[in-house]
Amino acid sequence: QKEVEQNSGPLSVPEGAIASLNCTYSDRVSQSFFWYRQYSGKSPELIMSIYSNGDKEDGRFTAQLNKASQYVSLLIRDSQPSDSATYLCAVSRTGGFKTIFGAGTRLFVKA
Amino acid sequence: EAGVAQSPRYKIIEKRQSVAFWCNPISGHATLYWYQQILGQGPKLLIQFQNNGVVDDSQLPKDRFSAERLKGVDSTLKIQPAKLEDSAVYLCASSTASGVYEQFFGPGTRLTVL
Repeated sequence: QKEVEQNSGPLSVPEGAIASLNCTYSDRVSQSFFWYRQYSGKSPELIMSIYSNGDKEDGRFTAQLNKASQYVSLLIRDSQPSDSATYLCAVSRTGGFKTIFGAGTRLFVKA
Repeated sequence: EAGVAQSPRYKIIEKRQSVAFWCNPISGHATLYWYQQILGQGPKLLIQFQNNGVVDDSQLPKDRFSAERLKGVDSTLKIQPAKLEDSAVYLCASSTASGVYEQFFGPGTRLTVL
């Protein structure tokens, strides 16, 4: 079992739709959860961080965390072609230690 | 606020040669990370510094990789000797150490080992 698992995709959604990206993790002591966006040939860029169970919204992005199920998700509303990228889920222990990234989900938003 | 700086951006070397990468973190960020990202995979943490001390180097291949962060600011990562499988992008990131562990990445160094 991988420590952080993501569906590799590609996930294809039409412009204006909601894109739903999922991530599961195996380390129960994980405390910090992050979503990064990575365009081809570029470095990861932080989109959202979430530390407690529930939803966290920032503009078109909503992160959802369920520690009991060891599950974190990212919803992108009103998807735009510019959202087409690889989305990386990252998980850290207390103090920001032992950060582990998933392999990423490729998202393609069709105009 | 200036971002994380890395150099060089690209490097091509022959196997068994040595190479060094440099990183300067965001000003005031106490924590510095080096990652290796192989094409199609997520970043893999190689080493994490807090100020000038190593807090995690469990995935650093210590027979060939070394890293230092003198004076708790900039850092260098060295590979000696390089192998073909070291071809990857080497990413440096930094974060504060104040309870929010959001990492900000530099542009990376793309290493090709021939």
